Amino acid sequence: GDSVTQMEGPVTLSEEAFLTINCTYTATGYPSLFWYVQYPGEGLQLLLKATKADDKGSNKGFEATYRKETTSFHLEKGSVQVSDSAVYFCVSSSGGYQKVTFGTGTKLQVIP
Amino acid sequence: KAGVTQTPRYLIKTRGQQVTLSCSPISGHRSVSWYQQTPGQGLQFLFEYFSETQRNKGNFPGRFSGRQFSNSRSEMNVSTLELGDSALYLCASSLSGQSSYEQYFGPGTRLTVT
Repeated sequence: GDSVTQMEGPVTLSEEAFLTINCTYTATGYPSLFWYVQYPGEGLQLLLKATKADDKGSNKGFEATYRKETTSFHLEKGSVQVSDSAVYFCVSSSGGYQKVTFGTGTKLQVIP
Repeated sequence: KAGVTQTPRYLIKTRGQQVTLSCSPISGHRSVSWYQQTPGQGLQFLFEYFSETQRNKGNFPGRFSGRQFSNSRSEMNVSTLELGDSALYLCASSLSGQSSYEQYFGPGTRLTVT
């Protein structure tokens, strides 16, 4: 079946540091890929998405590129802020209907 | 546009009881999915409904069931509650349920089974 593998957390970074959260997937066919973020005490919200190979999703300074050859969708941000502290989920969605697979989530803590 | 709403937000039940959770999707969204979130298992897909039909189902026992009404509102029922059912239950709605469409999540219902 489909699976999504994310790097283990927690990840602790100083403010303005560079962020990379690795994500790889296995899926039948060509899934759509998403990054969702869950801030403390809140529900999940979409951060960015990419629906086909070589697409780059971007939002709020975060970027991720759909790499079909390496089955990866790594999340990056050039300069993190304390307000970016949250749990980040890599998600694969495939099939005619939403067959959704979540990664385990990576907790990011940014310290001033 | 109002977001996804879930009621109740918090619930405490006793083992063996049953519980019904409710989800109201964003207006115009026809697909509703349910997830269970626990510290040990992470986010796991329960089921997805579209136009009152269950289209996808995760790997959960038959004690977990759901339904969707003609106005797209959805309910999830868990019968014969077990301690392990304690979790945050998240509902998400999507415009059509196609795989390329993003989901919009509600705040969740925190269920505690004692």
